[in-house]
Amino acid sequence: GAVVSQHPSRVICKSGTSVKIECRSLDFQATTMFWYRQFPKKSLMLMATSNEGSKATYEQGVEKDKFLINHASLTLSTLTVTSAHPEDSSFYICSAREGEWGIETQYFGPGTRLLVL
Amino acid sequence: GENVEQHPSTLSVQEGDSAVIKCTYSDSASNYFPWYKQELGKRPQLIIDIRSNVGEKKDQRIAVTLNKTAKHFSLHITETQPEDSAVYFCAASITGNQFYFGTGTSLTVIP
Repeated sequence: GAVVSQHPSRVICKSGTSVKIECRSLDFQATTMFWYRQFPKKSLMLMATSNEGSKATYEQGVEKDKFLINHASLTLSTLTVTSAHPEDSSFYICSAREGEWGIETQYFGPGTRLLVL
Repeated sequence: GENVEQHPSTLSVQEGDSAVIKCTYSDSASNYFPWYKQELGKRPQLIIDIRSNVGEKKDQRIAVTLNKTAKHFSLHITETQPEDSAVYFCAASITGNQFYFGTGTSLTVIP
């Protein structure tokens, strides 16, 4: 089946620093990748949708200057949390889909747990 | 945007009984409805999905029903087993371009 990896799995950083999270589709080309944020025992909140080669589409209330998304290739998307603050601490999960017509299935990465001190 | 509501938030059933989780959505343009199972500390896994041109779909012990008119869809798990214990999420999407998730149901199957 389709495999999506995410790196790092855990990161601890100081307040004010930036953190980059990578999401890779290992055995398929992902036209579209999604970034979610999940709070403990809560649902997945869609942050943004990124299509290869174009700017990401952010959901209402998500600061695009704070959460920079780059989808430079069909197998890699990155999320950079800029000037991180403790309230940015969360579980960030990416997912990817092939983008073929009629194939809506998204495959999730294992997630990245971010702790900002 | 789309608003997906999910009920109940927690559900406990005896092993062998059935479990039903219900979701409603607001955007009539949504046409793809997946269900995910997430075990503690792990990534969500797709367990079944349904498209708007189908009213019901079954895969062994799991079934999903969709009522487009009422804008609600349900997950049915029969003959539950302890390994079915997890958090289940419904989601709604327009052709897979964006996914909006329900709030989750924590299912506990009591042996």
